[in-house]
Amino acid sequence: DVKVTQSSRYLVKRTGEKVFLECVQDMDHENMFWYRQDPGLGLRLIYFSYDVKMKEKGDIPEGYSVSREKKERFSLILESASTNQTSMYLCASSLPMSVTDTQYFGPGTRLTVL
Amino acid sequence: AQTVTQSQPEMSVQEAETVTLSCTYDTSESNYYLFWYKQPPSRQMILVIRQEAYKQQNATENRFSVNFQKAAKSFSLKISDSQLGDTAMYFCAFIRGSEKLVFGKGTKLTVNP
Repeated sequence: DVKVTQSSRYLVKRTGEKVFLECVQDMDHENMFWYRQDPGLGLRLIYFSYDVKMKEKGDIPEGYSVSREKKERFSLILESASTNQTSMYLCASSLPMSVTDTQYFGPGTRLTVL
Repeated sequence: AQTVTQSQPEMSVQEAETVTLSCTYDTSESNYYLFWYKQPPSRQMILVIRQEAYKQQNATENRFSVNFQKAAKSFSLKISDSQLGDTAMYFCAFIRGSEKLVFGKGTKLTVNP
């Protein structure tokens, strides 16, 4: 089975802190994604990566950056956390769409910024 | 821009009954894929069922089936013989060649004993 893990289930940070959310997948997937999930808004794509060191902005990249130094790991960085970034963050991975279109999700990190 | 609309924020159903969740989408593409994902309370999001737009036959996975109406851009999910474990948020999603999933806002389904 595909396994996508995220470093923390719950995280509490203070405004202005630099925050790192880590995601690791064990199935050699090329594609990795970071989503933000808010009630009533569904899932919105922040960033995605289709290869090591490659990244593309999603629909809501402002205030976020990402890093993919190794194929299995995709990090989401909040350079200076703000209260409006309090949310559930979901990581996902997939093979290229030419192979399959199914994304596999991690358990999520619930981030609270005080 | 592609959009996905789920018009039912919340639904409930009695155990063993059948329920249908609605989803409509908007695209000018002819080839794409549609999905229903399930997110149980405090648990991981998992794929329930997928449909390829070029296939006319509706997808089925055990108690889950879809009613795909391409011309109407409608993709509803039917859950038969509902079980307590079906209680979850259900998200309809769409993808085409960009490899970026577009999600609806979700429907919270509660199965009552």
